[in-house]
Amino acid sequence: DQQVKQNSPSLSVQEGRISILNCDYTNSMFDYFLWYKKYPAEGPTFLISISSIKDKNEDGRFTVFLNKSAKHLSLHIVPSQPGDSAVYFCAASVRSGNTPLVFGKGTRLSVIA
Amino acid sequence: EAEVAQSPRYKITEKSQAVAFWCDPISGHATLYWYRQILGQGPELLVQFQDESVVDDSQLPKDRFSAERLKGVDSTLKIQPAELGDSAMYLCASSLFFSPGGYEQYFGPGTRLTVT
Repeated sequence: DQQVKQNSPSLSVQEGRISILNCDYTNSMFDYFLWYKKYPAEGPTFLISISSIKDKNEDGRFTVFLNKSAKHLSLHIVPSQPGDSAVYFCAASVRSGNTPLVFGKGTRLSVIA
Repeated sequence: EAEVAQSPRYKITEKSQAVAFWCDPISGHATLYWYRQILGQGPELLVQFQDESVVDDSQLPKDRFSAERLKGVDSTLKIQPAELGDSAMYLCASSLFFSPGGYEQYFGPGTRLTVT
């Protein structure tokens, strides 16, 4: 049973446009959500996070939105750049319970110049 | 910039052989994690250490996998005997504090294992 789902394996976006990556979760106990970015032959790099007490967190070109009622979060990248091309993993945890991260399968983003 | 080091970067082994991976976390990081990432999947936690103690190894297949962090610094993950299904990327991560929820975890480049 997959608790964190990224239903789009891949996404292609024109440079300068908005990239929207989606993530759904099933465990209502999750209270902390993270996005990691992974280039080939490298480990995942922490990108941005959001606590369940918020519905939006912004860091430069990256914004994460959380809709708790829908158990859905999304990562917006504006404007998209070719260097953003990577695999993006959504992850969730019950932070107060010190439980491990649960990752989605990832979405491969290709930003086309 | 401090990084998590892992070696080897790539390993090819025959099934039933033994294989070992090494991880050196960022200096001063008390917590160390080993993850396995199968192609097309997200990373899954295998084991986590707080200093030299195992905090969680509930997902570690203990019949063939073992992990140690004897002096609370670097760590070794071993598989014996390796099976075809063990082919995956093995990722090591560390964090300054106990942070299984993922905040401030830093990942190494991983070891790509292929079992033939």
